[in-house]
Amino acid sequence: NAGVTQTPKFRILKIGQSMTLQCTQDMNHNYMYWYRQDPGMGLKLIYYSVGAGITDKGEVPNGYNVSRSTTEDFPLRLELAAPSQTSVYFCASSSPGQGFSNQPQHFGDGTRLSIL
Amino acid sequence: GQQLNQSPQSMFIQEGEDVSMNCTSSSIFNTWLWYKQEPGEGPVLLIALYKAGELTSNGRLTAQFGITRKDSFLNISASIPSDVGIYFCAGQGGGGSNYKLTFGKGTLLTVNP
Repeated sequence: NAGVTQTPKFRILKIGQSMTLQCTQDMNHNYMYWYRQDPGMGLKLIYYSVGAGITDKGEVPNGYNVSRSTTEDFPLRLELAAPSQTSVYFCASSSPGQGFSNQPQHFGDGTRLSIL
Repeated sequence: GQQLNQSPQSMFIQEGEDVSMNCTSSSIFNTWLWYKQEPGEGPVLLIALYKAGELTSNGRLTAQFGITRKDSFLNISASIPSDVGIYFCAGQGGGGSNYKLTFGKGTLLTVNP
């Protein structure tokens, strides 16, 4: 079972370069999320999407952009990479639950990004 | 924004010992989740709790959703070396969005064989 797939697994960028982190899920989940994880910290939400064509900012959106043209894919773009964006990036997906509860989020294995 | 305090930050125990960790929040949640993360991997869901007071087990793991909806604990009984990893609590819904998770900073568990 593929679940949530992220590519690439590792990447080194120079300051000012741009790149797109890819995320795809095969569970037909409506909701998708991008998090970053810094050492000793929990995961912080960058952007999320509740369906194709709909995206919204999370806690730390500055320096990032997203798009959601299909249910399966939710790419994250860095336009001008900065050292502060060195982190591990996780994509997740979930489906709506009943009432006030959503189904738990399922995570990919992450993209380790270094900006030098 | 909502804040989660997870404790302890780290634990160093002997194989066979029981482990307890907890999370407290400044505001209520509708759902509490516990994840485990191993090196080089994403968080994997261990237990999901949907009702205040709910007590749920998954093998040697037991978690509870606090009555006040502002706290949760996770217990691991008879720890084994493969329990090593970082354990995260996460809260969803309540005063915030139903979609978004708020994560604790994690508890690093080390098990001595």
